[in-house]
Amino acid sequence: DSGVTQTPKHLITATGQRVTLRCSPRSGDLSVYWYQQSLDQGLQFLIQYYNGEERAKGNILERFSAQQFPDLHSELNLSSLELGDSALYFCASSGQRDLTDTQYFGPGTRLTVL
Amino acid sequence: AQSVTQLGSHVSVSEGALVLLRCNYSSSVPPYLFWYVQYPNQGLQLLLKYTSAATLVKGINGFEAEFKKSETSFHLTKPSAHMSDAAEYFCAVSDSNQGGKLIFGQGTELSVKP
Repeated sequence: DSGVTQTPKHLITATGQRVTLRCSPRSGDLSVYWYQQSLDQGLQFLIQYYNGEERAKGNILERFSAQQFPDLHSELNLSSLELGDSALYFCASSGQRDLTDTQYFGPGTRLTVL
Repeated sequence: AQSVTQLGSHVSVSEGALVLLRCNYSSSVPPYLFWYVQYPNQGLQLLLKYTSAATLVKGINGFEAEFKKSETSFHLTKPSAHMSDAAEYFCAVSDSNQGGKLIFGQGTELSVKP
């Protein structure tokens, strides 16, 4: 158990809908990262927050947004869903902004768009 | 830009045999390198990381990796494979320009035959 929790574990929805994925980092960790894992793209970085502020952005679609709240949990919002958004979404957390810091991954949320 | 290449999307070994999973990186700055393992339907777990201290890094479950700057490699090895090692393995580099986000290779699926 990494200490990072993600809910829900599975999500099945229809095209055009909007969903929210939630992540609670390990106790004391200030950084939260979101990654997408799909068969064709592999593991791709989406976005990072550090202590409530956006720190880095990857190839995140404009239909996707995220935020980190004062209690440090984070939410990833996916809207106008398309079939191609079906993937496993991981949240990871780390304590500092140091590049060597280990990122601890949650169990993921599997999103299926029908 | 930094990148990681894992040679071989699938590796199969017999139980008790040497495990060798190959990873080459590209980086214009000293890299920080990681190996993660993903068991079916689970998140990623850190096996080991290189942070410019010792070039031979020992990790969990008997795995180790050697950083070779001249070869830009960070191959993962284990002297004797166990059935429980069957999983997908990811090599990653920490992006020095973007807050430490991880750039992953495509992954190598390890199968262990009895």
